[in-house]
Amino acid sequence: DAKTTQPTSMDCAEGRAANLPCNHSTISGNEYVYWYRQIHSQGPQYIIHGLKNNETNEMASLIITEDRKSSTLILPHATLRDTAVYYCIVRYNSGGSNYKLTFGKGTLLTVNP
Amino acid sequence: GAVVSQHPSWVICKSGTSVKIECRSLDFQATTMFWYRQFPKQSLMLMATSNEGSKATYEQGVEKDKFLINHASLTLSTLTVTSAHPEDSSFYICSVHVSKGRDGGYGYTFGSGTRLTVV
Repeated sequence: DAKTTQPTSMDCAEGRAANLPCNHSTISGNEYVYWYRQIHSQGPQYIIHGLKNNETNEMASLIITEDRKSSTLILPHATLRDTAVYYCIVRYNSGGSNYKLTFGKGTLLTVNP
Repeated sequence: GAVVSQHPSWVICKSGTSVKIECRSLDFQATTMFWYRQFPKQSLMLMATSNEGSKATYEQGVEKDKFLINHASLTLSTLTVTSAHPEDSSFYICSVHVSKGRDGGYGYTFGSGTRLTVV
């Protein structure tokens, strides 16, 4: 799986949009971009994933650049409960059940009141 | 959505004893489960891949005789930390791969984790 690079930490004001960047310059054509987050002392939570089109769900939006070498996770109206470590993961979406997820260091997003 | 239950959420044990952690998929069948370990202020590190009805696949550097994995049914995988020592104190998390149709695609659902403290 391609390697990803994320900032170590970011701050965001409550109610504002949080934009979390991720670089994945070695991504291949069949690899998806996944975002997970981990609130302190809990298991990771799935947020969103995409291949090349921008995606949106009830939690967030995912913007993938045209060359697919980077992406941005957008939390449109951050709340204090969004404070967590956010992981950007690139992996081949084989559909098989035994393809493992590899976590990097992620970005610690702190939402301030 | 897919739900994974992990038990216990925390456990304290004496050095030299063994501890069993359970991971259950509540509303679907899971042929494969993953076990991760997370030390304070670090990321999740994959320990092993648990396959129903067969032996687990361990990552490099993980002692298979110390971390026993059993995946006897399609809804339950267990991780047993044998002869636990203080350095085994960590946050252990299981994960299940979810087939297309849940979570919008080929996603993974994680348990809530088990905090193990060995004294």
